[in-house]
Amino acid sequence: EPEVTQTPSHQVTQMGQEVILRCVPISNHLYFYWYRQILGQKVEFLVSFYNNEISEKSEIFDDQFSVERPDGSNFTLKIRSTKLEDSAMYFCASSPGTGVDALHFGNGTRLTVT
Amino acid sequence: QKEVEQDPGPLSVPEGAIVSLNCTYSNSAFQYFMWYRQYSRKGPELLMYTYSSGNKEDGRFTAQVDKSSKYISLFIRDSQPSDSATYLCAPNNDMRFGAGTRLTVKP
Repeated sequence: EPEVTQTPSHQVTQMGQEVILRCVPISNHLYFYWYRQILGQKVEFLVSFYNNEISEKSEIFDDQFSVERPDGSNFTLKIRSTKLEDSAMYFCASSPGTGVDALHFGNGTRLTVT
Repeated sequence: QKEVEQDPGPLSVPEGAIVSLNCTYSNSAFQYFMWYRQYSRKGPELLMYTYSSGNKEDGRFTAQVDKSSKYISLFIRDSQPSDSATYLCAPNNDMRFGAGTRLTVKP
């Protein structure tokens, strides 16, 4: 069964550094998402992406964050200048459509900012 | 008022118990309701969904919607240790999940 893959599984970075988290969504999916989950807390929506542009973003997704689909297969989340509080699990998800089409999640990238 | 409210638990039950997980929502425009399950250190995965009011059964799992009271339930019969996870409700597959209820089924 096709799946969403995320790399790396764990990333350690120093405060102030830029990080890029990578995702390969399922190939025929059209909608792409990033979520964040701080340890022990809820899964928080960051951004959705469709037709090569952001369709919705949360209040968490400020100017430090950006997303890109640089080619036909990858979907990236960039954090420009990481802060300690950016330490979290970041999940990528994709879906073929909206409505009852399920979100398919990757297994996440654990980001640790030191 | 948040659009989705869910008791985060944790909820701990013995193996074989019937589990009831619940969400309330505020937006009466929601028409379908998804349940996702998240195992520790994994991404959420769709468990089941129901459309509009009524019940839907899938094996040991039953999803129930009461639109008049804006109440969504997930029942797990004969709960197993492998059901230990966080359960997330998502009305209308809204991108914003509730807090999720953490369930532990003890052998």
